[in-house]
Amino acid sequence: QVHLQQWGAGLLKPSETLSLTCGVFGGSLSGYYWSWIRQTPGKGLEWIGEIKVSGSSNYNPSLKTRISILLDTSKNQVSLDLSSVTAADTALYFCSRGSPNASDIWGQGTLVTVSS
Amino acid sequence: QSALTQPASVSGSPGQSITISCTGTSSDVGNYDYVSWYQQHPGKAPKLMIYDVSNRPSGVSNRFSGSKSGNTASLTISGLQAEDEADYFCISYTSSNTRYVFGSGTTVTVL
Repeated sequence: QVHLQQWGAGLLKPSETLSLTCGVFGGSLSGYYWSWIRQTPGKGLEWIGEIKVSGSSNYNPSLKTRISILLDTSKNQVSLDLSSVTAADTALYFCSRGSPNASDIWGQGTLVTVSS
Repeated sequence: QSALTQPASVSGSPGQSITISCTGTSSDVGNYDYVSWYQQHPGKAPKLMIYDVSNRPSGVSNRFSGSKSGNTASLTISGLQAEDEADYFCISYTSSNTRYVFGSGTTVTVL
């Protein structure tokens, strides 16, 4: 049974870099897109970006200049870095396993708050 | 950035059927069968309920069904149960450079 476990800092100051990691347990990174999605009460859900083992990646154009999504196949992990955060980046962040047709497994979510 | 329109809330009595709509455009729902539906309880991770418009993953109750007509996809929950009370949202693949568009979310209340 594949499951995803997320971790990372939950409280950041403006201009800092958000760094989250998603560990993939019970399965391989190969063959899937690994995505990051965030959720806020006001704006709802927002797709951040995705990556495959093949190296193919896609980012939300509105966040592209600040995002880095990487795979570490030796550790079976997916990471997200989002630089120069502001209060607008405060959200519940999820990693997920998917493909263009669906995200079938999700991490537990990490609440990230940006506040001075 | 909710590009797909869903009703804010839908309610029904136990045993009834309810339908949640997810309306997009010809760039997303209307042009691709990559519509999926998710159930989310407060503070929990989303759970995939329907993929490819109408397919159920293993383990999901057959009380959940999906369909699509034109630019609108729908999720129907039949035989409504108390445990179905949750938020539901849709996701569609899109031809735009955002790759995916999300529904605004619907809160289902079991009366």
